[in-house]
This record gives sequence, structure tokens and C-alpha cells, in this order.
Amino acid sequence: QVQLVQSGAEVKKPGASVKVSCKASGYTFTSYDISWVRQATGQGLEWMGWMNPNSGNTGYAQKFQGRVTMTRDTSISTAYMELSSLRSEDTAVYYCARTLRGTEFRYYYMDVWGKGTTVTVSS
Amino acid sequence: QAVLTQPSSLSASPGASASLTCTLRSGINVGTYMIYWYQQKPGSPPQFLLRYKSDSDKQQGSGVPSRFSGSKDASANAGILLISGLQSEDEADYYCMIWHSSAVVFGGGTKLTVL
Repeated sequence: QVQLVQSGAEVKKPGASVKVSCKASGYTFTSYDISWVRQATGQGLEWMGWMNPNSGNTGYAQKFQGRVTMTRDTSISTAYMELSSLRSEDTAVYYCARTLRGTEFRYYYMDVWGKGTTVTVSS
Repeated sequence: QAVLTQPSSLSASPGASASLTCTLRSGINVGTYMIYWYQQKPGSPPQFLLRYKSDSDKQQGSGVPSRFSGSKDASANAGILLISGLQSEDEADYYCMIWHSSAVVFGGGTKLTVL
């Protein structure tokens, strides 16, 4: 079955970076985009950006431009999201999600989600 | 003003119907947007429910019951998620989403209580 398995919880100090992985299985990794969405405790969903595993093309939310990098390793069907210059407000659960994107973004939605990776930023 | 506004909470009785609204900011015409809906239960990731642009351009998520449906209210400039025949398992947070200005925008979510 289609599955996204994310890496384990992380605890980081302010100013550090974190790299979360997302391993895909059950489908052709390069046929779907991967989006990253985060959620602080008790808060709503916040989109961070997307990556096309085939081309490596990315699109980042303006809020995270310059601080986030999304990459992939197609040989192991794994996507990565690295967030730098961490601050306490980055404490959240980070989700990767398989994303269906139509031509010229006629549609864009996440149909399968990973279970999430908790990132805690604390001194 | 937020791009998407959802009521923070809604309560309804088992067996009844619940209409969850997602209002687009003035100047953003709901008619031109595909509205996506997600359900999230505590401790779990969101689950895609459906997408709706018009009656001829919509899609149900895989395995999502037909009692979940989408529509729009053009006069209110809003997308609507209708859940009929409410069950206790429908108690969850519901988020709407659009693709706007080359980015995903989520609504703040509605907590649906079934009591």
C-alpha cells in the first residue's frame, strides 16, 4: 500500500538546523510531488512548500524562503526537508504528503500523508 | 483579513447534517477556485476528503463515504463541506484549502463536535 514513513523525533537548539526524511513506498516516487506541512501543538496546518522528485524543482512558501530546502534521493525513494536557523516557534509536527498536481496547478492536493515528525526547538 | 476563514467550532447531533463553511476573502472569487477539504483526528495526520470546484469538476477521496460532499455558496463567497447522517466518528477538525498566488492556503480549521 502507498505509504510515507518519516524519520523520528528531533530536539534541536535555537539556531541549529533539522533535516527530516520521508521514505515513500507502494507507488512510483517520481510520479508525484511531495509537499511539507507543519502543525504546532493545538494549531492549524501550515504549508511549507513542494518538491517534484522527478525534476527536483521546488516551490517554497514565502514565509520559509531562505530557510527551507527540499531535496530528494530517488535511488531510495526518499524526500528530505531541511529547516535552518531554528527558533522556538518552529516547534511543531512536520508532515510530508504525496501531492497530486495538475497542469498549471489546475489542481493541487495532498492525498497520502506521513505520520509526522515532531521537532522540538529548545535551549 | 485571512484568505480563508472557517468557524472555529460547530456542534451537531448524531444523524443530523452539518454544513462547514470556508469563506474566501473579499476579492477572491470562490467560483474560480477548487476547494479541498481535509479531516484530522487527534494524534493523526490529515486525511483528504474531497475536492470541489463545480458539480462537473469534483472528486471524492479514496474510501471517503458519499455522505461527505462539497458545494459552494456564491452569494457568501464560500465553499461548503456537507456531512450528512453524522456519526460519532465524524468528530474531528476539518480544514479547507485552496491554491492561491502560487501557494497553498489553509483555513484555520473547524472543530466539529457530534453530541
